[in-house]
Amino acid sequence: AQSVAQPEDQVNVAEGNPLTVKCTYSVSGNPYLFWYVQYPNRGLQFLLKYITGDNLVKGSYGFEAEFNKSQTSFHLKKPSALVSDSALYFCAVREGNFNKFYFGSGTKLNVKP
Amino acid sequence: KAGVTQTPRYLIKTRGQQVTLSCSPISGHRSVSWYQQTPGQGLQFLFEYFSETQRNKGNFPGRFSGRQFSNSRSEMNVSTLELGDSALYLCASSHEGRSSYEQYFGPGTRLTVT
Repeated sequence: AQSVAQPEDQVNVAEGNPLTVKCTYSVSGNPYLFWYVQYPNRGLQFLLKYITGDNLVKGSYGFEAEFNKSQTSFHLKKPSALVSDSALYFCAVREGNFNKFYFGSGTKLNVKP
Repeated sequence: KAGVTQTPRYLIKTRGQQVTLSCSPISGHRSVSWYQQTPGQGLQFLFEYFSETQRNKGNFPGRFSGRQFSNSRSEMNVSTLELGDSALYLCASSHEGRSSYEQYFGPGTRLTVT
């Protein structure tokens, strides 16, 4: 069965510092991995994806994620956090050839000025 | 391109009633998925429709149903509402092919059951 784990309910970081939001996954077959962000009272916005190719993928708003097959991880990173990055972040995995997604429980990112 | 739209945005219903939510996908997207988001359970997959056929289904009771029309618009119905059905219901559409895979979400319908 496919699953995603986000071990941290909340991450606190100071503005200007680098941030990391962790995600580990469990899939059968090749993983299709995604990060989404959700602002209050809004739907989810797509940030980036890993399908194949380079392990470091770049996405929207300066975010990037590193795919690590041996550690089954797909951590979201940003070199310099902004207060406006404060939101709820979800990692997701797509089940093989099926258009069925499994989402992590979400990590609330707080960026303090 | 216009994004995914969902109507209504907010809804208040009473236990035992039924409700229908609507979703219009991004133009050209033929896959529509529905999710239930609650603070306790997070995001849970309800079902996915493609070309008017239910292609995938999550673990929800039969009270939750959906359909898709020939223009790819989708509706979701919940019958005999329970208090636990209070949630944000999200619709997402995606374009099949060209290695796109990602889903694009609407703003959601906030359903409150009293």
